[in-house]
Amino acid sequence: DVVMTQSPLSLPVNLGQPASISCRSSQSLVHRDGNTYLSWFQQRPGQSPRRLIYRVSDRDSGAPDRFSGSGSGTDFTLKISRVEAEDVGLYYCMQSTHWPHYTFGQGTRLEIK
Amino acid sequence: VQLQQSGPGLVKPSQTLSLTCAISGDSVSNIDIAWNWIRLSPSRGLEWLGRTYYRSKWYNDYAVSLKSRITVTPDTSKNQFSLQLNSVTPEDTAVYFCARDPGHSLDVWGQGTTVTVSS
Repeated sequence: DVVMTQSPLSLPVNLGQPASISCRSSQSLVHRDGNTYLSWFQQRPGQSPRRLIYRVSDRDSGAPDRFSGSGSGTDFTLKISRVEAEDVGLYYCMQSTHWPHYTFGQGTRLEIK
Repeated sequence: VQLQQSGPGLVKPSQTLSLTCAISGDSVSNIDIAWNWIRLSPSRGLEWLGRTYYRSKWYNDYAVSLKSRITVTPDTSKNQFSLQLNSVTPEDTAVYFCARDPGHSLDVWGQGTTVTVSS
């Protein structure tokens, strides 16, 4: 299976400041159809995961535009332009290029300083 | 689209864990969708478990580590799908989620079910 490695695992951030989470895969995530299937999920305390980004940089409707995704090949990044209190929680990357076994990163815990 | 999970929160060791995910706003037979089970535990993080999908016939995929113990089954009469995990141990204690896959991602998730394996 493809191993997904996130960093940092803990991310203390001041309100209004930017934040960045890295996700690296053990294999290229470029699919034979030319797309790269890397998603980002947010899990707030007590809630289910919610998809924010898919196909590296496509933002879900309802996801705030302060969230953006970038990267290619094996290196990917989720950026939050200005952290708000409601952004506290866990963030996961997931690869879905290598069917049928989807794999997730370990999760990054974002907290307010 | 909404997914509503149901099933017991406590299962005894060596018994079978059974959960159901009821679908509203979509069809379990939709040929463009796959229906998945995922779990979250402190020791393993998020772990994809298996899926079922219809492409002129029914297919399943399972995590290699669970292949001998897991079954994911569609129920077209009730528009839902189910997870069965046999011979559970305390290591199967986790929060279990169902989720929809419209093609290489998971866009809608159920509310989650906390399952504890304990005598």
